[in-house]
Amino acid sequence: SQQGEEDPQALSIQEGENATMNCSYKTSINNLQWYRQNSGRGLVHLILIRSNEREKHSGRLRVTLDTSKKSSSLLITASRAADTASYFCATPDYGGSQGNLIFGKGTKLSVKP
Amino acid sequence: GAGVSQTPSNKVTEKGKYVELRCDPISGHTALYWYRQSLGQGPEFLIYFQGTGAADDSGLPNDRFFAVRPEGSVSTLKIQRTERGDSAVYLCASSPGTITQYFGPGTRLTVL
Repeated sequence: SQQGEEDPQALSIQEGENATMNCSYKTSINNLQWYRQNSGRGLVHLILIRSNEREKHSGRLRVTLDTSKKSSSLLITASRAADTASYFCATPDYGGSQGNLIFGKGTKLSVKP
Repeated sequence: GAGVSQTPSNKVTEKGKYVELRCDPISGHTALYWYRQSLGQGPEFLIYFQGTGAADDSGLPNDRFFAVRPEGSVSTLKIQRTERGDSAVYLCASSPGTITQYFGPGTRLTVL
C-alpha cells in the first residue's frame, strides 16, 4: 500500500522558476523524507523533517510539514535543468517492522533550459 | 566512500527461469532493504534485514521470492519461476540504523 501521494504527478517549468511539490499521507508519523530519482534508478535522500518541525531548509530546498493536514511540500527555488528528476516523499511504515519506508507515486519534474 | 552497489544493472530472462539479484551495502550498515519499483510508481517494500536475519518479509509478493543475507553484508534476492509481471526495477538500500536509507542504482529485470 502507498501512504504518500504526491501532487502534481508531473510538473514542467522553465529554468530559474520555483517548483513546488506536495505530498499527503494517511497515518500519523514522526518524520517524513523526500527523495529524488534520476531516470528510474537509485534514489537519493534530499531532506528529512521531523513531526515537531514545521519547516526545514537545505540549500535551494525548502520543506514544510503540516501534521494537522497530514501534508508536506517540497519547494525547489531557482530551478536548474539538472533538477529534472522524479521526487518522492516517504514515510515510515508503522504497520510493519518500522524499518521500511512507504513511498508515494512521485512527481516528475521537468526543468527546461 | 563506496555507495550501495547492485549487480547486474540489467537482467533479461525468459518466463519460468530463476534469477538472482545481488546487493552490496555500504560497509558497516546493519540494515538492508529490498524494494521493487514498477514503471510510473514509487518503490514498494519487499524485505528488510537487520544483520543476518529478515526482520520483516511482509512485502514479498509470494513464495517465489526469497532473499538471504548470510554474513550480514551482501544480500541476494532470488526469484523462482519468473513471470512477466515480475518485470521491474529492484532497488536495494542500506542504513546504519538511522532513518535515512542509502539506495543503490537498482537492477532492471525484464521477463520476456
